[in-house]
Amino acid sequence: DTAVSQTPKYLVTQMGNDKSIKCEQNLGHDTMYWYKQDSKKFLKIMFSYNNKELIINETVPNRFSPKSPDKAHLNLHINSLELGDSAVYFCASRNLGQDNGYTFGSGTRLTVV
Amino acid sequence: GESVGLHLPTLSVQEGDNSIINCAYSNSASDYFIWYKQESGKGPQFIIDIRSNMDKRQGQRVTVLLNKTVKHLSLQIAATQPGDSAVYFCAEPHSGAGSYQLTFGKGTKLSVIP
Repeated sequence: DTAVSQTPKYLVTQMGNDKSIKCEQNLGHDTMYWYKQDSKKFLKIMFSYNNKELIINETVPNRFSPKSPDKAHLNLHINSLELGDSAVYFCASRNLGQDNGYTFGSGTRLTVV
Repeated sequence: GESVGLHLPTLSVQEGDNSIINCAYSNSASDYFIWYKQESGKGPQFIIDIRSNMDKRQGQRVTVLLNKTVKHLSLQIAATQPGDSAVYFCAEPHSGAGSYQLTFGKGTKLSVIP
């Protein structure tokens, strides 16, 4: 069973479109994250949710809106996609009290054309 | 700027040789570091971690060394195998104001030559 699953794995879309990436974890973790990885493999945190509550919101355009319907899901909705949004987006989860207990999904490669 | 970074962006080693991947950090108060391995098409996976009260920690074929004096840590992979080809990141957790997040270094791509 996949611990942290993201869908879709690949997403190709035109500029200006709105798209969503879904993430689900079956680990019972309390905290979920979205990270963005650019073409140079640099990983940067975007958002963090703890039990459906937004904890971290880094300097991310407000075109990006995370939504957590329950603590097992953290979806990412992106409005008015731009070329610079092309990247690999990773969802991760972690259990409170476990410093190294991050589990990452396999990523969603978003290409904006 | 970033508090965690790397000296070498790419590293090519012969199969069977040892690999050393380096990482520098800037915050002398940093007390915990994690190494991640990211294979092509996958998310980062935990390899090994080390706390600042240790200088060295060993795992299976991997060793992490921490030099707090010069704020440097390294990941050593013994007898490197083709399956070790990946991008390696050092990362540092940060906590505060109810949040807990990982800050990643830039990554080193390790290529193993058969």
